[in-house]
Amino acid sequence: GDSVTQMEGPVTLSEEAFLTINCTYTATGYPSLFWYVQYPGEGLQLLLKATKADDKGSNKGFEATYRKETTSFHLEKGSVQVSDSAVYFCALRENQGGKLIFGQGTELSVKP
Amino acid sequence: KAGVTQTPRYLIKTRGQQVTLSCSPISGHRSVSWYQQTPGQGLQFLFEYFSETQRNKGNFPGRFSGRQFSNSRSEMNVSTLELGDSALYLCASSFSGNQGADTQYFGPGTRLTVL
Repeated sequence: GDSVTQMEGPVTLSEEAFLTINCTYTATGYPSLFWYVQYPGEGLQLLLKATKADDKGSNKGFEATYRKETTSFHLEKGSVQVSDSAVYFCALRENQGGKLIFGQGTELSVKP
Repeated sequence: KAGVTQTPRYLIKTRGQQVTLSCSPISGHRSVSWYQQTPGQGLQFLFEYFSETQRNKGNFPGRFSGRQFSNSRSEMNVSTLELGDSALYLCASSFSGNQGADTQYFGPGTRLTVL
């Protein structure tokens, strides 16, 4: 079945460092891909999405490119802030809809 | 537009009891999905409702059930609570839910603790 694998955390960075969180997927069809972020004590917020190969999703300085050839959707940010500290989830959803399938989440901690 | 709202935000129950959680989707959204989040299992899909009908179901026992009303509001019920049901229950709404690109928007969740 479909699945999503993320790099394990926690990831600890200094403020203004470059961030990469790796995400790879397995899917039978042509899914849409998503990154969600969860701040402590809150629900999930959509960070960005991409719906077809080579699409780039971007929001708040974060970017991710849908790479079909490597089945990847890595999250990047050029300069992280303390306020980016949260848990990040990569997810996929098949073309016909249905459930979101999530990775296990990657905790990011940014130190001043 | 108001976001997805869930009530209550926190619940404490004892084993054997039952509980009902409520979710109000974003106005105009007709699809509501429920997820369970635990530290051990991560985020797992419970079920999805569209136009008052269950359209998809995850791998949870029959103790977990739900319904959707004509105004798209949804409830989920867990009967005969077990300690392992302690989790954050998240509700998500989307416009139609039948296309992969249709974004699901999440509520703040209901934190259920079973003692």
